[in-house]
Amino acid sequence: EADIYQTPRYLVIGTGKKITLECSQTMGHDKMYWYQQDPGMELHLIHYSYGVNSTEKGDLSSESTVSRIRTEHFPLTLESARPSHTSQYLCASSPLGGQGPFKAFFGQGTRLTVV
Amino acid sequence: AQSVTQPDIHITVSEGASLELRCNYSYGATPYLFWYVQSPGQGLQLLLKYFSGDTLVQGIKGFEAEFKRSQSSFNLRKPSVHWSDAAEYFCAVVPRLNSGGSNYKLTFGKGTLLTVNP
Repeated sequence: EADIYQTPRYLVIGTGKKITLECSQTMGHDKMYWYQQDPGMELHLIHYSYGVNSTEKGDLSSESTVSRIRTEHFPLTLESARPSHTSQYLCASSPLGGQGPFKAFFGQGTRLTVV
Repeated sequence: AQSVTQPDIHITVSEGASLELRCNYSYGATPYLFWYVQSPGQGLQLLLKYFSGDTLVQGIKGFEAEFKRSQSSFNLRKPSVHWSDAAEYFCAVVPRLNSGGSNYKLTFGKGTLLTVNP
């Protein structure tokens, strides 16, 4: 069973608010990812990290930012939420080395609605 | 352009019937291939993966997938569907780099929603 947690599961928030989506894993994985999934659309990688103090932009441009101060924690922040940010955000992690990078574990997702 | 395509947005089958979900990819070199399932309110769970070797891959929950290089396909199959299989299924790839390595970044198809009728 995967030990990767996202909070909150659901969030409805007003335009202009600052929000942080939390993602934590207890497996000691070096690599962590954030994916964005719009309804009926594919998942797009928006951020990833190879380890502490490492963050990279993904394939889909996003106004969100991430930080990786601790191995187990990879929060995503939106400084000023807009309705266009309404989406599901999935966090994932995987170990580094061997076939480990392909063994990605996913959180349950945060469904964000900006009104 | 590199892409992974799932042609079927929504499939409905009767319980006990067989299932095949299609996945096609467009990459220069055969990528690493995966199938994930997302049940309502759950995260993505890996069903199976193909790296090399035997082109018929067995996964969890009775699923299998066949890699066909000539068709650039990696279709997911199950001989007899159960009501609990109702979920969304995602095909995903990790590209192989020219160096022989990988960037380890999963790229997903749009998903196929499976409905199972009693």
